[in-house]
Amino acid sequence: GNSVTQMEGPVTLSEEAFLTINCTYTATGYPSLFWYVQYPGEGLQLLLKATKADDKGSNKGFEATYRKETTSFHLEKGSVQVSDSAVYFCALILIYNQGGKLIFGQGTELSVKP
Amino acid sequence: DGGITQSPKYLFRKEGQNVTLSCEQNLNHDAMYWYRQDPGQGLRLIYYSQIVNDFQKGDIAEGYSVSREKKESFPLTVTSAQKNPTAFYLCASSKGQGAWNTEAFFGQGTRLTVV
Repeated sequence: GNSVTQMEGPVTLSEEAFLTINCTYTATGYPSLFWYVQYPGEGLQLLLKATKADDKGSNKGFEATYRKETTSFHLEKGSVQVSDSAVYFCALILIYNQGGKLIFGQGTELSVKP
Repeated sequence: DGGITQSPKYLFRKEGQNVTLSCEQNLNHDAMYWYRQDPGQGLRLIYYSQIVNDFQKGDIAEGYSVSREKKESFPLTVTSAQKNPTAFYLCASSKGQGAWNTEAFFGQGTRLTVV
């Protein structure tokens, strides 16, 4: 079946540290890939996306590259800030007659300390 | 401004009662989704709809019901058959199947508590 797997959290980093959150997927077809961020008590916000292999999504210093050969979409940021503390979700959606179902990973909580 | 609105933000329910959570979008999106989120856990899909008057069960549909009579509205009813309804409920919408730019937009969520 179709699924998304993220590294388990919580991840605790010091300010200005390098961040990687791993995400791998299984999909029958050609998914689009997303990273969403959720701040406490709120809904999810789209952070970045990639719609085809080798695409790089980027936003607010975060980046992720769609790697079809390794079925991965790892999230990276060179220097995290306290304000980046949140839960991050990797997700995929299958288009083109795959039902349009949006599938999420389990989320990774990030805590950045001053 | 276009967006997706959930109401109420907080909802309290007595055991044995049905409650309905509202979700409205003015983004002209075809697809809408309901997710449940429990503390420290990810999102689990309850129901989704790709078009008006049609919807499909997600992974945890038991004890829930939905309707999609209008494109902009996708209400979720939590019935008394749902044994553990206390959770954070999130509604989302997207352009839908076949659309190239298909990211989902989320509401702010409804926190349901059974008292």
